[in-house]
Amino acid sequence: EVQLLESGGGLVQPGGSLRLSCAASGFTFSAFAMGWVRQAPGKGLEWVSSISGNGGTTYYADSVKGRFNISRDNSKKTLYLEMSSLTAEDTAVYYCARDLGRFIMICLWFWGRGALVTVSS
Amino acid sequence: EIVMTQSPATLSVSPGERATLSCRASQTVTNNLAWYQQKLGQAPRLLIYGASTRATGVPARFSGSGSGTEFILTISSLQSEDFAVYYCQQYNEWPPATFGQGTKVEIK
Repeated sequence: EVQLLESGGGLVQPGGSLRLSCAASGFTFSAFAMGWVRQAPGKGLEWVSSISGNGGTTYYADSVKGRFNISRDNSKKTLYLEMSSLTAEDTAVYYCARDLGRFIMICLWFWGRGALVTVSS
Repeated sequence: EIVMTQSPATLSVSPGERATLSCRASQTVTNNLAWYQQKLGQAPRLLIYGASTRATGVPARFSGSGSGTEFILTISSLQSEDFAVYYCQQYNEWPPATFGQGTKVEIK
């Protein structure tokens, strides 16, 4: 059974940093691109970032470019999202999701339950 | 950036009735269109990809159609578990991949 489990969410002050992790199981992790999608409270879905199966290709939404960094450790079957210079607009549930295949398509087949990030003083 | 527009924002339907949800793209996305279902407090779930292909385990009462800029998600006979928010998303041209604002299907 495919499982994605996010961790690392929490309360952070404006300007602060946080690292999210997503532990994967039930599939060959390196064979799939992965992504992060966020959802602000009461709002819709916003794609944040994606990474290819081998980690060699990454893409970011303009709203996070230069502040967020996506990475993966295929040996640990874990996806990461390093977030810095956080603002209140980054407050959201962050979902980890598996793409359709090894290459980035941003068609997200499986989703984790999400991790809440709250940016507030 | 491709803008996805869903209508209506809210759809009130009685159990057993048909629901028709629309999604329009600001420019062509060919058939690179996905539909997701999100129940309250849960993660989204992929229902349809390639505009019309059901994801694994999705009941046959869900069907997708359309290409180019106009897409439809049809739920042929609404069940109680289908009341949720539905999002369309284009993956034809990115970054960024873009979602519609969602259609809430509620009990009439």
